[in-house]
Amino acid sequence: NAGVTQTPKFQVLKTGQSMTLQCAQDMNHEYMSWYRQDPGMGLRLIHYSVGAGITDQGEVPNGYNVSRSTTEDFPLRLLSAAPSQTSVYFCASSYSSGGGITGELFFGEGSRLTVL
Amino acid sequence: QQPVQSPQAVILREGEDAVINCSSSKALYSVHWYRQKHGEAPVFLMILLKGGEQKGHDKISASFNEKKQQSSLYLTASQLSYSGTYFCGTDPWGGATNKLIFGTGTLLAVQP
Repeated sequence: NAGVTQTPKFQVLKTGQSMTLQCAQDMNHEYMSWYRQDPGMGLRLIHYSVGAGITDQGEVPNGYNVSRSTTEDFPLRLLSAAPSQTSVYFCASSYSSGGGITGELFFGEGSRLTVL
Repeated sequence: QQPVQSPQAVILREGEDAVINCSSSKALYSVHWYRQKHGEAPVFLMILLKGGEQKGHDKISASFNEKKQQSSLYLTASQLSYSGTYFCGTDPWGGATNKLIFGTGTLLAVQP
């Protein structure tokens, strides 16, 4: 049981390049999300998904795309990288704790992205 | 829109107590607490639900005042392993969406 797996762990891009951050979970969780973490800003929600085929925007979605074709995978695509997207990205999954409440978030180890 | 955490940083000696506060401008359905050590992923500590009771986890406990839209995390008799950054994650929407708004964090350093 690996939990939430993110790849790559480190990536350097040039401005304008595109790339995909991969996220996979093996806990059969319905809910998945992407956060970015910047110094002094905490974790900010980029996109989230409540099930296969269903995605929605979070607080800071501009410049990112997501899709959820399977329960297990939730990739994050950077369309045209900008220096402002330099950050640490965390993927998280969770289940409903009952009563329609978001349960414990399980985070991946993070992907550190630098855009030059 | 981000909840405000206070203090921003705190330094303790082993065995001392600390309180970390989280205040939201929105009505909340639940509050989560996470701890993150440097270079690692955040790890879940506990969740407090609207209308629920105070939760505890070993010597770490928390409360949730729905009317004031505030939560507090209490660390008792701190240990070296408590060092890290603590985040509250708030849910102002309800429903199980995996969607939380996190505070900016409180850095806790416990010294021998």
